Amino acid sequence: QVRLEESGGGVVQPGTSLRLSCVASGFLFSAYTMHWVRQAPGRGPEWVAQIAKDASENFSADSVKGRFSISRDNSKNTLFLQLDNVRPEDTAVYFCARERRRLIPQFDSWGQGTRVIVSS
Amino acid sequence: DIQLTQSPSFLSASVGDRVTITCRTSQTINSFLNWYQQKPGKAPKLLIYAASELQSGVPSRFSGSGATTDFTLTISGLQPDDFATYYCQQVYTSPPLTFGGGTKIDIK
Repeated sequence: QVRLEESGGGVVQPGTSLRLSCVASGFLFSAYTMHWVRQAPGRGPEWVAQIAKDASENFSADSVKGRFSISRDNSKNTLFLQLDNVRPEDTAVYFCARERRRLIPQFDSWGQGTRVIVSS
Repeated sequence: DIQLTQSPSFLSASVGDRVTITCRTSQTINSFLNWYQQKPGKAPKLLIYAASELQSGVPSRFSGSGATTDFTLTISGLQPDDFATYYCQQVYTSPPLTFGGGTKIDIK
């Protein structure tokens, strides 16, 4: 079955870097646009970034632009999110999600999330 | 960016109740709206896509309706497993995709 498994979270100091990974299995990873979504404590989900199935284009939220970058390695069925110059407001659970397109785009599969805490 | 306003933010209900949650968007999005359910410590789960299409495996007591700027999620006959937080999401403009602020349903 479809499975997404994130890793790489942890406690980091402001201004430092972190790389999150999401390993996919159970489907043809290279055929899907993928997303990162985060959720701060007590808040709703916030879309962070997306990357096309062949990595030909990617987009990110204004709140992380210039600091976070999304990438993928289709040969390893893995999605990445590089977090640079992190801030306390980046504290959240980070989910990877698969975009399916039935009539419109939707996120039909999600990982369990990896927690990032930015604190001095 | 398109803003999504959900109401109510919080709702107390009993098993068997019919519950309706609304999502209003700041501009027209046709039917480019999805609904998710989230339980504590878990990822969101897709319930409804394209405003009214039921995701495979989701019980038929869940239904969605609406278009342009006003949408509803209805649960007909609330079950114990349905106590959770519900989010709408617009995918009309991307980026950014945006989520509503959520509606938490708890037990009365």
